[in-house]
Amino acid sequence: GENVEQHPSTLSVQEGDSAVIKCTYSDSASNYFPWYKQELGKRPQLIIDIRSNVGEKKDQRIAVTLNKTAKHFSLHITETQPEDSAVYFCAAMNTGRRALTFGSGTRLQVQP
Amino acid sequence: DAGVIQSPRHEVTEMGQEVTLRCKPISGHDYLFWYRQTMMRGLELLIYFNNNVPIDDSGMPEDRFSAKMPNASFSTLKIQPSEPRDSAVYFCASSTLGETQYFGPGTRLLVL
Repeated sequence: GENVEQHPSTLSVQEGDSAVIKCTYSDSASNYFPWYKQELGKRPQLIIDIRSNVGEKKDQRIAVTLNKTAKHFSLHITETQPEDSAVYFCAAMNTGRRALTFGSGTRLQVQP
Repeated sequence: DAGVIQSPRHEVTEMGQEVTLRCKPISGHDYLFWYRQTMMRGLELLIYFNNNVPIDDSGMPEDRFSAKMPNASFSTLKIQPSEPRDSAVYFCASSTLGETQYFGPGTRLLVL
């Protein structure tokens, strides 16, 4: 089955700095890669996703890149703000199976 | 739309008791997913349904767990008998086409 590894497990940045979270996946058939943000005690919420026919996608301060050859994808947050502090999860899916496999999460703390 | 609705939000029970978690997906969504989140194991897919039919239950930990979806607007996850190691947050999620998944607020289960 699919295995998703996520790094780092914790990340602390100063407000205004950029943050990068990286994930690798094992199943070459995976073709959908969402990122979720989870605040303490809340539900995971989708913040951005990318499909395998695209190498990069951007939404305001958030961008995701995908390297299918290397089987890794990354989340980039620019101009970080204290409200970006949360746990971020990457995930991978083979859309033939519809099952999301999640990474272990990255706790991002943005210091004001 | 109210989003995915789950009940109860919190459940405290004693070992050996039956626990039933409930989920109402977003209207019009044809996929429903049950996840479990713990510190040790992260976010795990337990089972998912497409058009009320269970498609993949390979994540269901053991026979004590069962899930049903009697109609398009309701699903249950039952644990009988419950054990302390079942303590976790259980999320229900729904989607159309199985990709972008929207999570409910979760049920926080504590088994004493």
